[in-house]
Amino acid sequence: GAVVSQHPSWVICKSGTSVKIECRSLDFQATTMFWYRQFPKQSLMLMATSNEGSKATYEQGVEKDKFLINHASLTLSTLTVTSAHPEDSSFYICSARHQNFYNEQFFGPGTRLTVL
Amino acid sequence: SQELEQSPQSLIVQEGKNLTINCTSSKTLYGLYWYKQKYGEGLIFLMMLQKGGEEKSHEKITAKLDEKKQQSSLHITASQPSHAGIYLCGADGWDGQNFVFGPGTRLSVLP
Repeated sequence: GAVVSQHPSWVICKSGTSVKIECRSLDFQATTMFWYRQFPKQSLMLMATSNEGSKATYEQGVEKDKFLINHASLTLSTLTVTSAHPEDSSFYICSARHQNFYNEQFFGPGTRLTVL
Repeated sequence: SQELEQSPQSLIVQEGKNLTINCTSSKTLYGLYWYKQKYGEGLIFLMMLQKGGEEKSHEKITAKLDEKKQQSSLHITASQPSHAGIYLCGADGWDGQNFVFGPGTRLSVLP
């Protein structure tokens, strides 16, 4: 149990376009989901905390108007990279906090975004 | 596939005591990251180690990567209740496509 999926697993897009990444908890409900970004050979960095039914909380330095997060249900959070540029190319990972196990966090497989 | 193991799985210590958490890889590590997760919150990056024998410190936390680059340790000196949480090690996946985490070590510090 406790599986988190991400879609797509990889995406290539043109500069200026928007890309949506989905994070789903498949067999549990997640009141909170976290979005991370990892640049090559760098650390995984927390971007934002997404709570179901409310606005996401962004970490310092993360542009909320560029990285739109929607957590519309207890099993789905989406991250939309708007007007993507090559510097947004990165590996994006989500994690979901199990509704019944507050301290447990389960990670998705990640989405690799390449902006041309 | 690369796997990361952590030990111990959980740890309860008295405030002021020192402790060590280990992370072992089945393959050579070229980038080892340590994170802390406060209960219910997102991961916080602690340190990154790349070179064999490298050691880094931040406040009362010291991380080391062994010469063979297959094992890393995280040492906390004079632990405090604020150190409580889940400590995870992570590494770049060998297929270049994903990131691998260890299972985590749950630390409780008793006042």
